[in-house]
Amino acid sequence: EIVLTQSPGTLSLSPGERATLSCRASQSVSSSYLAWYQQKPGQAPRLLIYGASSRATGIPDRFSGSGSGTDFTLTISRLEPEDFAVYYCQQYGSSPVGITFGPGTKVDIK
Amino acid sequence: EVQLVESGGGLVQPGGSLRLSCAASGFTFSSYSMNWVRQAPGKGLEWVSYISSSSSTIYYADSVKGRFTISRDNAKNSLYLQMNSLRDEDTAVYYCARVAASGRSMDVWGQGTTVTVSS
Repeated sequence: EIVLTQSPGTLSLSPGERATLSCRASQSVSSSYLAWYQQKPGQAPRLLIYGASSRATGIPDRFSGSGSGTDFTLTISRLEPEDFAVYYCQQYGSSPVGITFGPGTKVDIK
Repeated sequence: EVQLVESGGGLVQPGGSLRLSCAASGFTFSSYSMNWVRQAPGKGLEWVSYISSSSSTIYYADSVKGRFTISRDNAKNSLYLQMNSLRDEDTAVYYCARVAASGRSMDVWGQGTTVTVSS
């Protein structure tokens, strides 16, 4: 099973600042099968990024994903008030068995 | 509007059973694979089970294998999760999620239904 580690656990920033979130895999994630989700309290997760760098439908371009192999990054170029939430990375390989999520990074208001 | 709506959650004693449902609308349900994902109180996300569009391929997380059964009825645009031999650690919000056409990310999620296992 591929284990995902996210850092930092909590990121305290102000609106307008840049957020950089890291996701590291215990082994290479094939073909960049990595996604990022945003979750706000009491809400379901929302897909932000798939294939490591492709934005999902309707996601603002301030969100960007990058990386390959074992190291991936989600960047929010300028934080808007609605961006304060928990962000999860998720890997999915050639088979759905072993889909795993990272523990999450909470982005809160400084 | 593309939508998934879960139902069937509730309070159940350890060892009991529960059947969750997920009603899909706004898209061609029979064309998409589906997942169940759960989230224990205050914890992260855990994938539970996957079913392909035709039900020909089914997978389970080790934590639920042998106790949970995923199924679907494409004629009724519905996804199900039969949960037997429930344990305290199965307490969570259960989400159904659509597998994106572009891969195995999950592009549409329901609002979740809460399962509490407690005596």
